Amino acid sequence: SQQGEEDPQALSIQEGENATMNCSYKTSINNLQWYRQNSGRGLVHLILIRSNEREKHSGRLRVTLDTSKKSSSLLITASRAADTASYFCATDLMDSSYKLIFGSGTRLLVRP
Amino acid sequence: DTAVSQTPKYLVTQMGNDKSIKCEQNLGHDTMYWYKQDSKKFLKIMFSYNNKELIINETVPNRFSPKSPDKAHLNLHINSLELGDSAVYFCASSQGSLAFPLSGEQYFGPGTRLTVT
Repeated sequence: SQQGEEDPQALSIQEGENATMNCSYKTSINNLQWYRQNSGRGLVHLILIRSNEREKHSGRLRVTLDTSKKSSSLLITASRAADTASYFCATDLMDSSYKLIFGSGTRLLVRP
Repeated sequence: DTAVSQTPKYLVTQMGNDKSIKCEQNLGHDTMYWYKQDSKKFLKIMFSYNNKELIINETVPNRFSPKSPDKAHLNLHINSLELGDSAVYFCASSQGSLAFPLSGEQYFGPGTRLTVT
């Protein structure tokens, strides 16, 4: 099964509301990253949080990491229609496999 | 300037054909990757090269052969294409050394949508 599972699979909110996406993983990590993918485009890196960090901010993005629960959350505040995209978490495993394992993604729709 | 570029963007071909996808990055990165994204948007790594040396080779059919002529280029050649090869293929790159090839973020190309009929 996959290393990263995201929840929910799909999320629909009104512009201005906050959006929260969750990611759970199975094995120990060096870091966890969040990416955005607009329809028909490549992935764009949003934020990286290391295993010894608990929270990180970047603009309207807030990421938390709980290594004891093996989970992370991405919060987008004051959402905009342009935030409509799929969001993926990706884990850099500690087993020296040199692989970045992507989750299944959350499809976010922000209604204007 | 495009950071990671792929050609072609779309590729429609018949079963049994051989095709290639090219990737170039102008970021000066040491590590490049090929990913496959299926119809359910699941993204899975296929190969990774660091300074022209293969460091990740997932359980991919040997019909898929990557080639890195220099650290700025990573091409993917696919022999005897099958229906199940239809997907979007993404190239990516990141800065890093052989000891720490995954240090930091990855930069993705726009993808190549391969359709095998």
